[in-house]
Amino acid sequence: DTGVSQDPRHKITKRGQNVTFRCDPISEHNRLYWYRQTLGQGPEFLTYFQNEAQLEKSRLLSDRFSAERPKGSFSTLEIQRTEQGDSAMYLCASSNRDPLSEQFFGPGTRLTVL
Amino acid sequence: GENVEQHPSTLSVQEGDSAVIKCTYSDSASNYFPWYKQELGKGPQLIIDIRSNVGEKKDQRIAVTLNKTAKHFSLHITETQPEDSAVYFCAASSGNAGGTSYGKLTFGQGTILTVHP
Repeated sequence: DTGVSQDPRHKITKRGQNVTFRCDPISEHNRLYWYRQTLGQGPEFLTYFQNEAQLEKSRLLSDRFSAERPKGSFSTLEIQRTEQGDSAMYLCASSNRDPLSEQFFGPGTRLTVL
Repeated sequence: GENVEQHPSTLSVQEGDSAVIKCTYSDSASNYFPWYKQELGKGPQLIIDIRSNVGEKKDQRIAVTLNKTAKHFSLHITETQPEDSAVYFCAASSGNAGGTSYGKLTFGQGTILTVHP
């Protein structure tokens, strides 16, 4: 399968714990985006990487959130000291060429914070 | 920042009817407008997109129209089928390789489309 993959698909954690999600983009894509989607809403932008550089972050990304893309390939999103309000679907997308090209989304990681 | 409004929130049609979903955006700098279909438990999948230098685009049963002056764009699905049932999202982006906007998408709230056999 050559699409965007995300791991894990589901994560249940207790409030206060740290969690880390992984995204593997389509191999030749240099642009990588993270979005968060809550129930009944559209995805909301969190952060953007071009190769290994994190070039844009949303105000939604509090200091408990950190993202990396160390070698310009896979990316990780870590949430420290999780809160119940962090419960959501975390989506990763990748694209190539110009900023107006199609973003291919992964299946998402559903986080539930108890 | 950009704000995208989408209507209706739910849409129920009979198989074979047409379905229309409308979106408005606020940022006149937006120049890329994709539509995504999301099925339960899956990530969004692009079904059609349009750039601001084009007024209309069609792909088989799906078409999108864009009115830059009024800042609105619409998705038209003709001859609907039960497998078209899903959540549909419009989005807007002002990607500019030389600027500070890198193609992040601002999504509407979604439309739950149900096609009854």
